[in-house]
Amino acid sequence: AQTVTQSQPEMSVQEAETVTLSCTYDTSESDYYLFWYKQPPSRQMILVIRQEAYKQQNATENRFSVNFQKAAKSFSLKISDSQLGDAAMYFCAYRGNNDMRFGAGTRLTVKP
Amino acid sequence: KAGVTQTPRYLIKTRGQQVTLSCSPISGHRSVSWYQQTPGQGLQFLFEYFSETQRNKGNFPGRFSGRQFSNSRSEMNVSTLELGDSALYLCASSANTASYEQYFGPGTRLTVT
Repeated sequence: AQTVTQSQPEMSVQEAETVTLSCTYDTSESDYYLFWYKQPPSRQMILVIRQEAYKQQNATENRFSVNFQKAAKSFSLKISDSQLGDAAMYFCAYRGNNDMRFGAGTRLTVKP
Repeated sequence: KAGVTQTPRYLIKTRGQQVTLSCSPISGHRSVSWYQQTPGQGLQFLFEYFSETQRNKGNFPGRFSGRQFSNSRSEMNVSTLELGDSALYLCASSANTASYEQYFGPGTRLTVT
């Protein structure tokens, strides 16, 4: 079964600094998708970034970028120039053939 | 475009009752997935529908069921409610099953007493 592990329950970053959230996954599938979702307090889940496993190039969306290491089954999220609005729970997710699996989440605090 | 809508937003039920939750996907989206979110178990996949057909089902008991209508709206039903069913139930829609890029609704907060 595919599992998704986020080893950092909580992270903190100073406003305008850079932070990296870690995610590893386990799978025997060769084709799959990886996602980072953001869930602000009492607000709905928002897609941050998506990575197709067959693409070697790391995905980037403005201040958000990923470091995708397929062989290591690692998928970290880097947030540059952190803003107060980035404070949220961040979930790493894996989509294979059968379902979508989420990590336990990392709570990111942004300090002014 | 309007986002994913879920009704009701909050619900209180008693053990043993049943409940039906509704989800309206983004216009044009044909795939709908349901998730259960709890502090203890996190986000867990319930089921996925595409064009009225259930494509995948998570590891939940048969008390949890769902369906999708021809207009892509979806409902999920939980029968014989248990205290452990208290959770935030999230619905997500996507345009197709190729990209799996999902857009989430605000959720229905179910409390079972």
